[in-house]
Amino acid sequence: NAGVMQNPRHLVRRRGQEARLRCSPMKGHSHVYWYRQLPEEGLKFMVYLQKENIIDESGMPKERFSAEFPKEGPSILRIQQVVRGDSAAYFCASSPGTGEMNTEAFFGQGTRLTVV
Amino acid sequence: QKEVEQDPGPLSVPEGAIVSLNCTYSNSAFQYFMWYRQYSRKGPELLMYTYSSGNKEDGRFTAQVDKSSKYISLFIRDSQPSDSATYLCAMSRYYGQNFVFGPGTRLSVLP
Repeated sequence: NAGVMQNPRHLVRRRGQEARLRCSPMKGHSHVYWYRQLPEEGLKFMVYLQKENIIDESGMPKERFSAEFPKEGPSILRIQQVVRGDSAAYFCASSPGTGEMNTEAFFGQGTRLTVV
Repeated sequence: QKEVEQDPGPLSVPEGAIVSLNCTYSNSAFQYFMWYRQYSRKGPELLMYTYSSGNKEDGRFTAQVDKSSKYISLFIRDSQPSDSATYLCAMSRYYGQNFVFGPGTRLSVLP
């Protein structure tokens, strides 16, 4: 029973390049969340998606950041024209999303993005 | 005032001690409460999940939710050095909504 899979685990990009982070949810999970964690800080919500729908993107920066969760394939968090301030650990979580009690979320190991 | 407050620690205890970790929150609409453990450079690992008020026990871990006081706790009995990690509380208002995290408490259990 594979958990939430994120790749790559580490990603180095030069300023101005694009970063693509992938997340495959746990089997049977249809809800995906993306969080960002800066050093010595807590997890900050970015976006919540279901298959082919963005449910809540209130935590996403208005520019350069986008996310999708297509019908087939992993969820993608895309950061265009990266800047040094984008350097952080990006975590994906998934939840079953079926039934009021099934809201607990399981996290992947994260992608550590370094912008040089 | 932050939506979820948590003492960042670090909290150091001797092996075998009972550990109490706490979070307070300001939004009375929160109904779903979770505790995560995060080892250095790893993803958060779900420890406990509670809906609404009450207690929940799982092995050495007990989670308590007091919605009237807007206060949640995680107790770890017979703490082990392997429990040394950062503990994050998280909560949400309703089913399917995003989770709000506390900043985490760093715990060190000394052998």
